[in-house]
Amino acid sequence: GNSVTQMEGPVTLSEEAFLTINCTYTATGYPSLFWYVQYPGEGLQLLLKATKADDKGSNKGFEATYRKETTSFHLEKGSVQVSDSAVYFCALGPGGATNKLIFGTGTLLAVQP
Amino acid sequence: DVKVTQSSRYLVKRTGEKVFLECVQDMDHENMFWYRQDPGLGLRLIYFSYDVKMKEKGDIPEGYSVSREKKERFSLILESASTNQTSMYLCASSLFSGGTTSTDTQYFGPGTRLTVL
Repeated sequence: GNSVTQMEGPVTLSEEAFLTINCTYTATGYPSLFWYVQYPGEGLQLLLKATKADDKGSNKGFEATYRKETTSFHLEKGSVQVSDSAVYFCALGPGGATNKLIFGTGTLLAVQP
Repeated sequence: DVKVTQSSRYLVKRTGEKVFLECVQDMDHENMFWYRQDPGLGLRLIYFSYDVKMKEKGDIPEGYSVSREKKERFSLILESASTNQTSMYLCASSLFSGGTTSTDTQYFGPGTRLTVL
């Protein structure tokens, strides 16, 4: 069945360091891929998405490219800030009118000043 | 902006109690979802609804039921709460895409942290 695997955390970085959070998926068809972010004490909010192969989603300095050949959607940011500390979830949209999503287990990012 | 609200941020209940979690969205979305979030397990779908009075089971529906009498409101019901239902519960909504690909964003509420003693 469809599934998402993302790297376990926590990931601890110093401010201005480069960030990569790995996400790979297993799916049939042509799913959409998402990154959601959950700041402390809040619900999830969409960070970026890509709807087809080779698409690059980007927002707030974060980027992820939909790579069909490696079934991956890794999240990157060139220079993290303390305010980026949060839990990041990779998600797979397997399709269908009901917009169901399959989420990864989440990766906690802690950025230290 | 889409707003999804949940009735409580924190809730403490006793084993065996009937628990209602309410979710309201203000953007006329057709789809609504209930998830639970547990450390190391990510988000797991409990139930979802794609229209008023329509519901479908998600991945972990056991011990839960739902109600959707109005388009904007989706309720999660724990008929007899148990300690293993202690968790963070997240509600979400999205537009009905009408197609074969899932491209529409799910909008989440702030969550209800439920503790069952």
